Amino acid sequence: EIVMTQSPATLSVSPGERATLSCRASQSVSSTLAWYQQKPGQAPRLLIYGASTRATGIPARFSGSGSGTEFTLTITSLQSEDFAVYYCQQYNNWPPMYTFGQGTKLEIK
Amino acid sequence: EVQLVESGGGLVKPGGSLRLSCAASGFIFRKAWMSWVRQAPGKGLEWVGRIKSKTDGGTKDYAAPVKGRFTISRDDSKNTLYLEMNSLKTEDTAVYYCSTDEGSSWGSPRLALDYWGQGTLVTVSS
Repeated sequence: EIVMTQSPATLSVSPGERATLSCRASQSVSSTLAWYQQKPGQAPRLLIYGASTRATGIPARFSGSGSGTEFTLTITSLQSEDFAVYYCQQYNNWPPMYTFGQGTKLEIK
Repeated sequence: EVQLVESGGGLVKPGGSLRLSCAASGFIFRKAWMSWVRQAPGKGLEWVGRIKSKTDGGTKDYAAPVKGRFTISRDDSKNTLYLEMNSLKTEDTAVYYCSTDEGSSWGSPRLALDYWGQGTLVTVSS
């Protein structure tokens, strides 16, 4: 079973600055990596799929990169609405399953 | 506009059963791969299972903690997804979300979950 590890657990960044979130897979997941944002009391929202493709309506300040086992979500010029919990997720072909990381909480510094 | 609306959550005793429903609209439901994802209070996201479209074989896949106890089904005539949960345990307490892979509706699955419902809370407690 593939394990997804996100770091750091909590990231404190000031508004207007850049945030870099990491996600590591225990074995290669090719580019089947997605990122989600979740705010308190809300359902998750898809930000990035295929490691680097922004989902519909996602602002350009969100970008994803990486392949294999190391992936990064970068948020430039942080806005107040960006402070939330972020999850990475990979898809495994066999056995078919989706696996989420444990999340990174992005908080205001 | 894509809408997913879950219902059926509530309080159930350990060992009991519950059936969740998810009413879908705004996309071609019969072609879509549909998943259930849960989130225990204060915890992260956990994938529960997925059902593919009938044209893609209707395959059902489950996470290890629920395999043999939970069953996913769909009624394409009603645009509705179901999650039948049996032999419930206290550790099944969570908000249950239904979600869909938008790309699957047109034959190019993204292997990610584009749209989510608002979730329904299942509490397993004596």
